[in-house]
Amino acid sequence: GAVVSQHPSWVICKSGTSVKIECRSLDFQATTMFWYRQFPKQSLMLMATSNEGSKATYEQGVEKDKFLINHASLTLSTLTVTSAHPEDSSFYICSAGLGTASREQYFGPGTRLTVT
Amino acid sequence: GENVEQHPSTLSVQEGDSAVIKCTYSDSASNYFPWYKQELGKRPQLIIDIRSNVGEKKDQRIAVTLNKTAKHFSLHITETQPEDSAVYFCAASGAWSGYNKLIFGAGTRLAVHP
Repeated sequence: GAVVSQHPSWVICKSGTSVKIECRSLDFQATTMFWYRQFPKQSLMLMATSNEGSKATYEQGVEKDKFLINHASLTLSTLTVTSAHPEDSSFYICSAGLGTASREQYFGPGTRLTVT
Repeated sequence: GENVEQHPSTLSVQEGDSAVIKCTYSDSASNYFPWYKQELGKRPQLIIDIRSNVGEKKDQRIAVTLNKTAKHFSLHITETQPEDSAVYFCAASGAWSGYNKLIFGAGTRLAVHP
């Protein structure tokens, strides 16, 4: 089956620093990947759509200068949380699809970010 | 944009009973409706999905029904087991942006008691 990995699985950083999260499709190529944020006991909120070789498309209310997305290859997308603050602490999950013909999305295991 | 509402937010059943979770969506252009199960601290797992050209789909103890006219779809779990306890999310997708992005409901926390 389609496998998506994320690294790191958890990270603690100090306020004001930046953190990079990697999302990889291990056994398939993903033209499009999606980044979600999930606060405790809440739903998955789509942050942005990451497209290989082009700029990410951000959802309304998501600061593109704070959440930098790079989709450098068909198997790797990165999310960088810049100048992190405690309110950025959350569970960040990526997903990838097999393409427009296949609607299924496969999720990574998530990255728990804690900003102190 | 698309909006997905999900009810109930919590559901408690006895082992062996059935559980039903309902979702409504707002955009008639939505055409793909997956259901995900998420255990605490883990990734969402796709358990069943349905496309707009189908009214019902079943996979063992799990079934999903879709009413396009009313713009709602439901998840049915029969003969529930304690391991079914988790948070369930419905979602809707359509080619609004060309990328088939998913919009999720708020989730239903299902507890199955032995």
